[in-house]
Amino acid sequence: DTAVSQTPKYLVTQMGNDKSIKCEQNLGHDTMYWYKQDSKKFLKIMFSYNNKELIINETVPNRFSPKSPDKAHLNLHINSLELGDSAVYFCASSQVARDTEAFFGQGTRLTVV
Amino acid sequence: RKEVEQDPGPFNVPEGATVAFNCTYSNSASQSFFWYRQDCRKEPKLLMSVYSSGNEDGRFTAQLNRASQYISLLIRDSKLSDSATYLCVVKEGGGYNKLIFGAGTRLAVHP
Repeated sequence: DTAVSQTPKYLVTQMGNDKSIKCEQNLGHDTMYWYKQDSKKFLKIMFSYNNKELIINETVPNRFSPKSPDKAHLNLHINSLELGDSAVYFCASSQVARDTEAFFGQGTRLTVV
Repeated sequence: RKEVEQDPGPFNVPEGATVAFNCTYSNSASQSFFWYRQDCRKEPKLLMSVYSSGNEDGRFTAQLNRASQYISLLIRDSKLSDSATYLCVVKEGGGYNKLIFGAGTRLAVHP
């Protein structure tokens, strides 16, 4: 049973297109995240939702819009894709309690051409 | 100053070696600390949490010094399978529950 699953695993698309990445967790966690890992392998937080409420929104272009229909799902929609959006996007989930770890999905490798 | 800073690496060590990674963090109010491991083209996975009193898990020992805002990971008797990138992770509280990652230190263990 996959704890955090995201789809698709690979996404190749042209500049200017709109695309979505979906994420689901079956761990019963109350917090979900989107992270971006760029070509230098640095993992940077983009968004965090707690019980469907947006609590962290880092300086991400507003072309990126997360949506959390319920606690178990956090989707990421990207409008007007740019070359610089090419990266691996990871979804993760955790509990808000202090010492709990985050579990990551397998990542979506987005390539914008 | 970066929020979480790590040794840049890469560390190239022979099997059986002992290797230590260091990490510093800037926010003194940080609540929890972890080491994650990331294999090539895979997602990060928890290696171990780091507790104030220090903790050990087999060949791995983690230490935390809150006064110096410093975290370390010691790997003894390195195995080929330890080759990966090790990520220092700090969890900020204040209701934000934000995990901040260091840039990672790459370890390559050779025969």
